[in-house]
Amino acid sequence: QVQLVESGGGLVRPGGSLRLSCAASGFTFSDYYIGWIRQPPGKGLEWISYISRSSTFTNYADSVRGRFTISRDDAQNSLFLQMNSLRVEDTAIYFCARGIYNGDAFDIWGQGTMVTVSS
Amino acid sequence: DIQMTQSPSSLPASVGDRVTITCRASQDIRNSVAWYQQKPGKAPKLLLYAASRLESGVPSRFSGSGSGTDYTLTISSLQPEDFATYYCQQYAGTPYTFGQGTKLEIK
Repeated sequence: QVQLVESGGGLVRPGGSLRLSCAASGFTFSDYYIGWIRQPPGKGLEWISYISRSSTFTNYADSVRGRFTISRDDAQNSLFLQMNSLRVEDTAIYFCARGIYNGDAFDIWGQGTMVTVSS
Repeated sequence: DIQMTQSPSSLPASVGDRVTITCRASQDIRNSVAWYQQKPGKAPKLLLYAASRLESGVPSRFSGSGSGTDYTLTISSLQPEDFATYYCQQYAGTPYTFGQGTKLEIK
């Protein structure tokens, strides 16, 4: 079935790095924009990035621009988020999600992976 | 950035009630709004997009309307499985932004 599965979350010290992965199955991954959305524990949703088909375009929220890098490997049906210079306020569940049309709304979501930034 | 102000933040209701949740954008978002349902410990689920287009498989008791800056999600007759948190999202411009959420609670 159509699904996205995130991995790579964990506990990291402030200033550290982490790389999240998102494995897609059940659909033609290369046909879709894919995004990352995060949710701090007990709080609301924050869009942080998307990547277009063929990696032509990327976009980031100001809160992560310059620290996070989104990429994709269509041959491996995978999406990545390289997170550097992590801050306590980056602590959240990170979801990858498939964009409809040009990454506008998100129709398929992974189950999320938890990132905790703490000393 | 486009701000999405969602109200109410909490909504006590009963099975069978008709409920409405509202999102107001800080500028015209040209029907570029989606609505999601999220249950505890789960990922959000897309309900509607383009303000009023029902996602495949979503029950017809969910509907959306609005234009310009003001949008609403209506549930015509609440079912037990509808008690959850609901979010609006605008995608008229980046950064995409979400409303603060509405927790639909059993009265």
